[in-house]
Amino acid sequence: EPEVTQTPSHQVTQMGQEVILRCVPISNHLYFYWYRQILGQKVEFLVSFYNNEISEKSEIFDDQFSVERPDGSNFTLKIRSTKLEDSAMYFCASRGTVNTGELFFGEGSRLTVL
Amino acid sequence: TQLLEQSPQFLSIQEGENLTVYCNSSSVFSSLQWYRQEPGEGPVLLVTVVTGGEVKKLKRLTFQFGDARKDSSLHITAAQPGDTGLYLCAGAPITGNQFYFGTGTSLTVIP
Repeated sequence: EPEVTQTPSHQVTQMGQEVILRCVPISNHLYFYWYRQILGQKVEFLVSFYNNEISEKSEIFDDQFSVERPDGSNFTLKIRSTKLEDSAMYFCASRGTVNTGELFFGEGSRLTVL
Repeated sequence: TQLLEQSPQFLSIQEGENLTVYCNSSSVFSSLQWYRQEPGEGPVLLVTVVTGGEVKKLKRLTFQFGDARKDSSLHITAAQPGDTGLYLCAGAPITGNQFYFGTGTSLTVIP
């Protein structure tokens, strides 16, 4: 069964360092998402990506964040200068169609900022 | 931001009992999904409901989409310890392509 894969599963970094989280969405999907979940809190939308550009982003997704689909396969989330409050689980998701299309999530990347 | 409120937030029941989780909003959604999430893992899709009033069954789980497509419920019959987890609803608005997640219901089924 097709699945969304994410790497790394866990990353520990120092405050101020750059982090890149990688995702391989399901191959025929067109819409890609990043969500985050701070421990014990709700799943929060960060950004959606379609046709090689950002289609929507939340207030959380400030200038420190960027996304890229460099090679038609990977979908990456970069945090330029990490802060303590960036510590969270980051989930990548993809779906094939906009209307009623089902959203499939990866297993997540746990980011710990020290 | 379109808010989806889930209730109850926490639920602890004995094995064999029935339960209902609610997902409510003032916004209309084109579709609504229910997920279950286990600690340290990503949400796993359980069901998608699209039509107002739609009812879907998945073994002991029954999902209903409100007539006005603003709310949904999840009913579990004869809960089992394997049902333990965080249940999340997520709605797709009429316009745009993102999903808004509910506040979550943490279910514990005690053997």
